[in-house]
Amino acid sequence: QSVLTQPPSVSGAPGQRVTISCTGSSSNIGAGYDVAWYQQVPGAAPRFLIYGNNNRPSGVPERLSGSKSGTSASLAITGLQAEDEADYYCQSFDSTLSGYVFGTGTKVTVL
Amino acid sequence: EVQLVESGGGLVKPGGSLRLSCAASGFAFSSFTFNWVRQAPGKGLEWVSSISGYSTFRYYADSVKGRFTVSRDNANNSLYLLMTSLGAEDTAIYYCAKEGSTDYFLDFWGQGTLVTVSS
Repeated sequence: QSVLTQPPSVSGAPGQRVTISCTGSSSNIGAGYDVAWYQQVPGAAPRFLIYGNNNRPSGVPERLSGSKSGTSASLAITGLQAEDEADYYCQSFDSTLSGYVFGTGTKVTVL
Repeated sequence: EVQLVESGGGLVKPGGSLRLSCAASGFAFSSFTFNWVRQAPGKGLEWVSSISGYSTFRYYADSVKGRFTVSRDNANNSLYLLMTSLGAEDTAIYYCAKEGSTDYFLDFWGQGTLVTVSS
């Protein structure tokens, strides 16, 4: 069961900006644990996108950015491209569960 | 190049057992915590278990606690997940994932191995 809540879907036209929210609680994001983001295309393993709330590993385009505030986080994709069409998951750590928690997942559709 | 390759998945009957393996290469295996994450068909990601570099700490999701056991062999750069008392709810793709060098994130994932529990 997912502890972090995301919208089921977001969509945008090519070139537009979309944001994905991720809402947690006082035992995970609100407790100060950082948020990471992953992208998953159908049939493939998740791909690591963002760590430490807003840091991109090498190879991830600057069009993707993360932020965190209070018990929530968000991922923004600017200059939307066809290749961005995928499922996106946020992830943090939960002190009550003593383990990783993932978001419910958001499907991004490029119109 | 970091590589993680899972194996051991397959069809198993309810109540049965299965052991998954994950072979790692391209980095200092014993220096990192590893995790198992699963994904049921058409569903989201679910964390299953973590094991620290020298097996000092092992954690499990409530859904598998008492049934699954995570282990590792640093000499052979391998991670394992022994799954017992399997039920239909355990049907999923199981991924091994390497934890990053700082805080809690998973920077490299294997391709996954499918476990199907069915009679």
